[in-house]
Amino acid sequence: GQNIDQPTEMTATEGAIVQINCTYQTSGFNGLFWYQQHAGEAPTFLSYNVLDGLEEKGRFSSFLSRSKGYSYLLLKELQMKDSASYLCAVTGSNYQLIWGAGTKLIIKP
Amino acid sequence: IAGITQAPTSQILAAGRRMTLRCTQDMRHNAMYWYRQDLGLGLRLIHYSNTAGTTGKGEVPDGYSVSRANTDDFPLTLASAVPSQTSVYFCATARDITYNEQFFGPGTRLTVL
Repeated sequence: GQNIDQPTEMTATEGAIVQINCTYQTSGFNGLFWYQQHAGEAPTFLSYNVLDGLEEKGRFSSFLSRSKGYSYLLLKELQMKDSASYLCAVTGSNYQLIWGAGTKLIIKP
Repeated sequence: IAGITQAPTSQILAAGRRMTLRCTQDMRHNAMYWYRQDLGLGLRLIHYSNTAGTTGKGEVPDGYSVSRANTDDFPLTLASAVPSQTSVYFCATARDITYNEQFFGPGTRLTVL
């Protein structure tokens, strides 16, 4: 079957660094996405990885290892506004997105 | 219109009633999607459309139908609502099926009593 696993909830301190992991098992792979979703709002795009390695975009970076079925999202210099859910999604062989349940990130002062 | 709009924003509906959720985009994207999001579960695909005139079933299509008469509109219809269809519904678009960065509408919160 197809499966995306990520932690349900994480807590971090303002100004710190946090890493949110995502592991996946899918039939086919055409890329991995990270989305951010604030409570009561729609998901918004953060990053896309299709090749192995690290993609950096400001305070956010995303890493992919296709051989391990593994990705992480790294958030640096955490701000209170980063409190949100972070959704991992994989594009399968039919180009449909398969979504993880999301990781709720709580930032404490 | 800027981006993707959904209507209504929220709705309380009696079980057995028919309901259509509307989604309109002005991004000229070919692909459109309907998801439902329930607490503790990931986004689940209900139906999708790769281009105007075509539709397909997603992971949880039962009880729902869609149509895609033109590029901009992708309504989702619940023929006879049941309480298990209580959820937040998101419409999303993508440039095309193989370019899968998806853009989401603001969502419709539906409660079926």
